[in-house]
Amino acid sequence: QKEVEQNSGPLSVPEGAIASLNCTYSDRVSQSFFWYRQYSGKSPELIMSIYSNGDKEDGRFTAQLNKASQYVSLLIRDSQPSDSATYLCAVGRILTGGGNKLTFGTGTQLKVEL
Amino acid sequence: GAVVSQHPSWVICKSGTSVKIECRSLDFQATTMFWYRQFPKQSLMLMATSNEGSKATYEQGVEKDKFLINHASLTLSTLTVTSAHPEDSSFYICSAPDIGSNQPQHFGDGTRLSIL
Repeated sequence: QKEVEQNSGPLSVPEGAIASLNCTYSDRVSQSFFWYRQYSGKSPELIMSIYSNGDKEDGRFTAQLNKASQYVSLLIRDSQPSDSATYLCAVGRILTGGGNKLTFGTGTQLKVEL
Repeated sequence: GAVVSQHPSWVICKSGTSVKIECRSLDFQATTMFWYRQFPKQSLMLMATSNEGSKATYEQGVEKDKFLINHASLTLSTLTVTSAHPEDSSFYICSAPDIGSNQPQHFGDGTRLSIL
């Protein structure tokens, strides 16, 4: 079983629709959860972070975390063609000296179609 | 804001060559840095955790003698791919946690390594 699992996609949604991305993780002691967006040939960029159960909203993005189910999701409202990218779910453990050690999922490719 | 600078951005070299990649934290100190490798259409795989002033911690399956890591100062970590072969061709990305930031890690722009 992979530590962090995502559907590889591609997930295709029409422009203006809601895109729903899902992620499950195996390590119950995980403490922090992140969604990154990665364009081809580029480094990941942080979209959302979430640390406690429930929803967290930031603009068009909403992250949802359910630690009991070991599940984290990302909703993108009013999807735009520029949202087309690979979305990486990352699960973190806090290091003794501070900061997080991250384990990444394989990513879900999102395509927003005109 | 805080930035991690990675150099070079791409390298093309012959098989058997050793290649050094630098990762610098520009306006914060990083006692820890991470080195990832990403093959096409795959996710970031952590190779090793670089620790300032001590030995790096390598993930299972990563050859210590092939991927040499040096973290000599609080702002610089280097990864040297020794005697590189075509199968080492990949996208290498470094990152550094900034404890004072709301971001878990700041990523460098990555190094595209192509071994002929």
